Amino acid sequence: QVQLVQSGAEVKKPGASVKVSCKTSGYTFTGSYMHWVRQAPGQGREWLGCINPNNGYTNYGQKFAGRVTLTRDTSSNTAYMEVTRLTSDDSAVYYCARGSPLSVPDYYPYGLDVWGQGTPVTVSS
Amino acid sequence: SYVLTQTPSVSVAPGQTATITCGGDNIVRKSVHWYQQKPGQAPVLVLYGDSERPSGIPERFSGSNSGNTATLTISRVEAGDEADYCCQVWDSSGDHGVFGGGTKLTVL
Repeated sequence: QVQLVQSGAEVKKPGASVKVSCKTSGYTFTGSYMHWVRQAPGQGREWLGCINPNNGYTNYGQKFAGRVTLTRDTSSNTAYMEVTRLTSDDSAVYYCARGSPLSVPDYYPYGLDVWGQGTPVTVSS
Repeated sequence: SYVLTQTPSVSVAPGQTATITCGGDNIVRKSVHWYQQKPGQAPVLVLYGDSERPSGIPERFSGSNSGNTATLTISRVEAGDEADYCCQVWDSSGDHGVFGGGTKLTVL
């Protein structure tokens, strides 16, 4: 079955960086977009960006461009998300989620159909 | 950027019908997706493309989209349906994801 398994909880100091991994199995990693979403306590969900695992092309939310970097390792079927210059506002649960197949003309008709278990990130001095 | 608005909470008795709405400017022109999230768990896609159900999602979950409002309807509500439900679209200005604030469904 399709699985996305994320790395464990992180505690970071303000100004530091954090890198979260998302190891996939059960499907062709390079065949579907991978998205990243976060949810802070008591807040709504925010879309951070997505990556095309086949060619590495990325698309970032306006709020996160320049501070979030999405990468992938096709040899291990793993996606990564790094956030730099952390502040307390970045304390949240971060999720990876599979998007549409790369083969479709556009991903608008598709939701995020499989999610990782989430990685809590706490930023505190 | 595009904004989605949801009522913070909805309450319904078991066996009744829950209606959860998602408002957005001319949302009918967009494809709306709905997620269910229970405490401590990852979101689950319950509807995509306004009204399509992924495999494994009961027929009790249905959706519609008209004008400025998309609607998730849960028929014959069960205690296990108690969760936060949020809507999501892809914003054509940049192909960015946009989420609603979520609606907490309480089963009385």
